[in-house]
Amino acid sequence: KAGVTQTPRYLIKTRGQQVTLSCSPISGHRSVSWYQQTPGQGLQFLFEYFSETQRNKGNFPGRFSGRQFSNSRSEMNVSTLELGDSALYLCASSGTVGEKLFFGSGTQLSVL
Amino acid sequence: QKEVEQNSGPLSVPEGAIASLNCTYSDRGSQSFFWYRQYSGKSPELIMSIYSNGDKEDGRFTAQLNKASQYVSLLIRDSQPSDSATYLCAVLEGATNKLIFGTGTLLAVQP
Repeated sequence: KAGVTQTPRYLIKTRGQQVTLSCSPISGHRSVSWYQQTPGQGLQFLFEYFSETQRNKGNFPGRFSGRQFSNSRSEMNVSTLELGDSALYLCASSGTVGEKLFFGSGTQLSVL
Repeated sequence: QKEVEQNSGPLSVPEGAIASLNCTYSDRGSQSFFWYRQYSGKSPELIMSIYSNGDKEDGRFTAQLNKASQYVSLLIRDSQPSDSATYLCAVLEGATNKLIFGTGTLLAVQP
């Protein structure tokens, strides 16, 4: 069974730009969660989607948004990028909300 | 948002020893607890899950849960250099079902 797939693997952007990250969950998984990982803060919860609905949201500004499609694939968008947005963005899927998570390889975002 | 606390380490143990990793959490409503391992430059992978008080063993790994003390631990027996990684404790918030991670403990197993 294929794992969680995230694209792209690396991104370099400049301040003020926007970025869209993509995540394909494990086949049959309907819940997708997004996390931001930085050396100082660890894994910070961004949001979780289930059946195209946002079920949970972390403490991030409105510049961070996401969505989930009918095939469970998910995207997250960050607008007006700031230097502090440089991080590893991890997507994880589970069968349903509250189950163990399986992570993708992540997208490493660098904001210059 | 509730908190999950871990000692950042590094925790250094000799090969063959028992490594003990600890985690405390603040949400008394939490019912599900997980340990993830993350190698440098890689994504987290699930090692253990535990839901009831007591011990749960899987090979060289034992997870321990004490809900009264709000404490979760992971023991690694016969530690190997390949166990060197960051170990992340994760707790499912009772009210929201958000999975909250600690900042992780770096384990270094010395050959």
